[in-house]
Amino acid sequence: NAGVMQNPRHLVRRRGQEARLRCSPMKGHSHVYWYRQLPEEGLKFMVYLQKENIIDESGMPKERFSAEFPKEGPSILRIQQVVRGDSAAYFCASSPPKPGQGGETQYFGPGTRLLVL
Amino acid sequence: DAKTTQPPSMDCAEGRAANLPCNHSTISGNEYVYWYRQIHSQGPQYIIHGLKNNETNEMASLIITEDRKSITLILPHATLRDTAVYYCIVRVAYSGGSNYKLTFGKGTLLTVNP
Repeated sequence: NAGVMQNPRHLVRRRGQEARLRCSPMKGHSHVYWYRQLPEEGLKFMVYLQKENIIDESGMPKERFSAEFPKEGPSILRIQQVVRGDSAAYFCASSPPKPGQGGETQYFGPGTRLLVL
Repeated sequence: DAKTTQPPSMDCAEGRAANLPCNHSTISGNEYVYWYRQIHSQGPQYIIHGLKNNETNEMASLIITEDRKSITLILPHATLRDTAVYYCIVRVAYSGGSNYKLTFGKGTLLTVNP
């Protein structure tokens, strides 16, 4: 059973370009979460999505950032007009749809390291 | 957001048990505690979670005091590969639902020494 997959693993962009980060959840999982980790800091929640729905985007920057999780295909985190401050590791996690006792565990992917030059 | 208190760093000798403490002064009765670890810059790895009772799995054990304000993660026989940052997280559940977001603190850097 493959784990959460993210690609690319490393992404280099120049200021002003767009970055697209992809996340394929574990098989059978329909809940996806995105977290960002700035250098030397802990992970910060960004957004929680279910298929075709954004459930909580309270951690997303107000501008330039968007996320989607279409009916088919991976979840996409999109950053428009990147700036140097966007350089970070972006992690995706997934959890299964059926609520268990107290909710379901989130499993993380290996992350995408974004470097903005 | 719920916040936990963890020591910034700990050392442990290889082969010995590593006991990682975590405290939370305002945890409520239905809030689960999760432990994750992050080895170098890899994705966080789930270890174990619990509510009120002590828990054990193939990776670790969880000791929860009766008032639930102290939660200890135990790695029974630490190896060099257990060197990582360990995060104790009291998850924040969405109202009416069973899913939640994780609020990571700074965690504890556990260094296992040969």
